[in-house]
Amino acid sequence: DGGITQSPKYLFRKEGQNVTLSCEQNLNHDAMYWYRQDPGQGLRLIYYSQIVNDFQKGDIAEGYSVSREKKESFPLTVTSAQKNPTAFYLCASSPSGPGSEKLFFGSGTQLSVL
Amino acid sequence: AQTVTQSQPEMSVQEAETVTLSCTYDTSESNYYLFWYKQPPSRQMILVIRQEAYKQQNATENRFSVNFQKAAKSFSLKISDSQLGDTAMYFCAFMENSGGSNYKLTFGKGTLLTVNP
Repeated sequence: DGGITQSPKYLFRKEGQNVTLSCEQNLNHDAMYWYRQDPGQGLRLIYYSQIVNDFQKGDIAEGYSVSREKKESFPLTVTSAQKNPTAFYLCASSPSGPGSEKLFFGSGTQLSVL
Repeated sequence: AQTVTQSQPEMSVQEAETVTLSCTYDTSESNYYLFWYKQPPSRQMILVIRQEAYKQQNATENRFSVNFQKAAKSFSLKISDSQLGDTAMYFCAFMENSGGSNYKLTFGKGTLLTVNP
């Protein structure tokens, strides 16, 4: 089945630790995104990538890093600099050209701090 | 910067009845997309309906329809014949239409809809 796979579903971070959230898609989409969702809030954009080996900061990039070495993969690292990492993280992808406004979302990763 | 406002944090409706969720937005752009996304308890984000700003005709998808008022910057969602499976958080979202380089969705804070049996 074509889609977006996020792993793990739940992740726990210790103080001072970096953790990496995985996002893989087999939809052959060019663009990929990372969003953060806090309780009572809508989604906010962390990073996005429109093409391999290129990515841009979104609205809340501080304390996060990404890479885009392969078209299918867009991992997100939550660094120790992110002081409030507890949130639900959603990865999404979209095609380029017509239809690029339609984002497909993964099932998310809940990150909690121990 | 674009903003999206959903003024109803929670709503409820009886099964088989109709409910309308409100959304207003602020932008200086003339060409953009508006969306309603549904997030059920599984937390999967599901696209419900999409509207292109240059189209005057309101979008419809089965039991879901929108009332798009461009001058008023209003974009409400009407759910007809509500079903128990419609229980979810509903998010209104905005995207600037930059001709194939679309990248950023701006979301409202959501409306929690509960459909009662």
